[in-house]
Amino acid sequence: AQSVTQPDIHITVSEGASLELRCNYSYGATPYLFWYVQSPGQGLQLLLKYFSGDTLVQGIKGFEAEFKRSQSSFNLRKPSVHWSDAAEYFCAVGDSGGGADGLTFGKGTHLIIQP
Amino acid sequence: DSGVTQTPKHLITATGQRVTLRCSPRSGDLSVYWYQQSLDQGLQFLIQYYNGEERAKGNILERFSAQQFPDLHSELNLSSLELGDSALYFCASSASGISYNEQFFGPGTRLTVL
Repeated sequence: AQSVTQPDIHITVSEGASLELRCNYSYGATPYLFWYVQSPGQGLQLLLKYFSGDTLVQGIKGFEAEFKRSQSSFNLRKPSVHWSDAAEYFCAVGDSGGGADGLTFGKGTHLIIQP
Repeated sequence: DSGVTQTPKHLITATGQRVTLRCSPRSGDLSVYWYQQSLDQGLQFLIQYYNGEERAKGNILERFSAQQFPDLHSELNLSSLELGDSALYFCASSASGISYNEQFFGPGTRLTVL
């Protein structure tokens, strides 16, 4: 069964500093990979996704992620964070093998921005 | 605003009771997904419907059931409620039932079981 690990429960970053959120997945083939953001009291919003092609994916709000098959990773990056980026970030994997179409989510990383 | 609506926003009920959560997908989306978000289990996929038919099942308990109606709205029925069912329940919709299509999430229904 597929699984997703987000090793960092909390991360604190100063405003203007760079950010990297880690995500490792377990899946038998090339997965579909997603990063979602959840602001307090809100639903989830898709930041970016990967399913084939260029391994460096650009998303909304200045985020990018790189798929590294050899490391089973899909880390999310942003060169300079803003206070409005404080939120919960979820990495997710989708089944590319024609099985269940629900996403498998990691436990999430809570991002705190220091002024 | 994702275009997915969920009602009610909050629901407080007692153990042993039954509740129904409602979801209206984005206009034109045929697929509806239900997820449960709790502190100990995180975000878990429960069930998916596509154009009125059940498409995939995740970690859905037998006490829970769902359906999708001809107008494509969906309902999640939770019965014999237990304290552990307290969670945020999200509905998401997508244009098709294919995994790589973006799922648009609603704001959620917060269920509290006392």
